[in-house]
Amino acid sequence: EADIYQTPRYLVIGTGKKITLECSQTMGHDKMYWYQQDPGMELHLIHYSYGVNSTEKGDLSSESTVSRIRTEHFPLTLESARPSHTSQYLCASRPGSSGNTIYFGEGSWLTVV
Amino acid sequence: AQTVTQSQPEMSVQEAETVTLSCTYDTSENNYYLFWYKQPPSRQMILVIRQEAYKQQNATENRFSVNFQKAAKSFSLKISDSQLGDTAMYFCAFATSGGGADGLTFGKGTHLIIQP
Repeated sequence: EADIYQTPRYLVIGTGKKITLECSQTMGHDKMYWYQQDPGMELHLIHYSYGVNSTEKGDLSSESTVSRIRTEHFPLTLESARPSHTSQYLCASRPGSSGNTIYFGEGSWLTVV
Repeated sequence: AQTVTQSQPEMSVQEAETVTLSCTYDTSENNYYLFWYKQPPSRQMILVIRQEAYKQQNATENRFSVNFQKAAKSFSLKISDSQLGDTAMYFCAFATSGGGADGLTFGKGTHLIIQP
């Protein structure tokens, strides 16, 4: 099993609230990712990171922001949540060198009411 | 840019049957990786099988095997002796080899239902 953890797993918050979704991995992977997935739909990359102090936007535009201060930690923040942000957010990581298997966390289900 | 196409939104088979999920992709790269991921109702994405494009031999993992046709850009997944626990969304995915940090490109997924 992959050692990548996400908290919270499920969250219901009100519109306008600030929320941070936590993601940590203990595998020492350089590359980390955030995907957004609506129920029954494909995954869309919203953020990724090459390593510490590196963050990039993905294919799908998102109002969220990320930071990478430590190798193992890649939190995602929504400054002002809206109902359109309701979705599942999947964090993932992979080794920076050999091997391209991506390992996923269990996901964070966010509902904005 | 790479694209991945899964043409079967949903499939349903009886337990113990063999089922094949199709996947095609489009890329100008010569070296890359292909994956099948499984997402059970509990929602955690799990790697099923992985294929390196430079390897001609098809990957096999127990009851799971692939039919990789590089020239046709086809990467189908065969599940033998299907079990109830195989019920899940299955995603085909593509990754470039080596550099770049843009992760995987996913298909839209196939919802596989194993009937008792």
